[in-house]
Amino acid sequence: GENVEQHPSTLSVQEGDSAVIKCTYSDSASNYFPWYKQELGKRPQLIIDIRSNVGEKKDQRIAVTLNKTAKHFSLHITETQPEDSAVYFCAASKKTDSWGKLQFGAGTQVVVTP
Amino acid sequence: KAGVTQTPRYLIKTRGQQVTLSCSPISGHRSVSWYQQTPGQGLQFLFEYFSETQRNKGNFPGRFSGRQFSNSRSEMNVSTLELGDSALYLCASSLTVGEAFFGQGTRLTVV
Repeated sequence: GENVEQHPSTLSVQEGDSAVIKCTYSDSASNYFPWYKQELGKRPQLIIDIRSNVGEKKDQRIAVTLNKTAKHFSLHITETQPEDSAVYFCAASKKTDSWGKLQFGAGTQVVVTP
Repeated sequence: KAGVTQTPRYLIKTRGQQVTLSCSPISGHRSVSWYQQTPGQGLQFLFEYFSETQRNKGNFPGRFSGRQFSNSRSEMNVSTLELGDSALYLCASSLTVGEAFFGQGTRLTVV
């Protein structure tokens, strides 16, 4: 089955700097890659996603890039703010699978210090 | 539009008991998936229901089961609870492939 690895497990950045989280996946049939942000005690929230027919997607200060050949995708957060502090999860799924079946990475704890 | 609603938010149960958790998806979403979240194992897929049928199942023992009703609401049941079942149980609803929206979760503590 699909295996998703996520790095780093923790990331400390100064406010205003950029943060990058990287994930690799094993199943070449995976074609949907969402990123979730989970603040302490709250639900995971979808912040951005990318499908396999696209190489990059941006939404304000966040962007995701996908390299299908290397089977890795990354989350980029620019101009980080204290409210970006949270655990971020990458995930992968495939169209032939269940709609809601996501294979998650282990998560990255991001701490933004003022 | 109301989000995904899970009840109850918190539960404390004793080993050997059983528990039922409920999830109401976003209106119009026919797919409901369940996940277990623990500090050690992260987010793990339990199963998915679509139009009252289980469409996929993760690697969990048969003590974990679920069902979905005609209005898309779903329930998850865990029988013969073990200490290791203590976790945050999240359900997610989907309208299309991959886009899963999570509920607040049910925090289950087994003592």
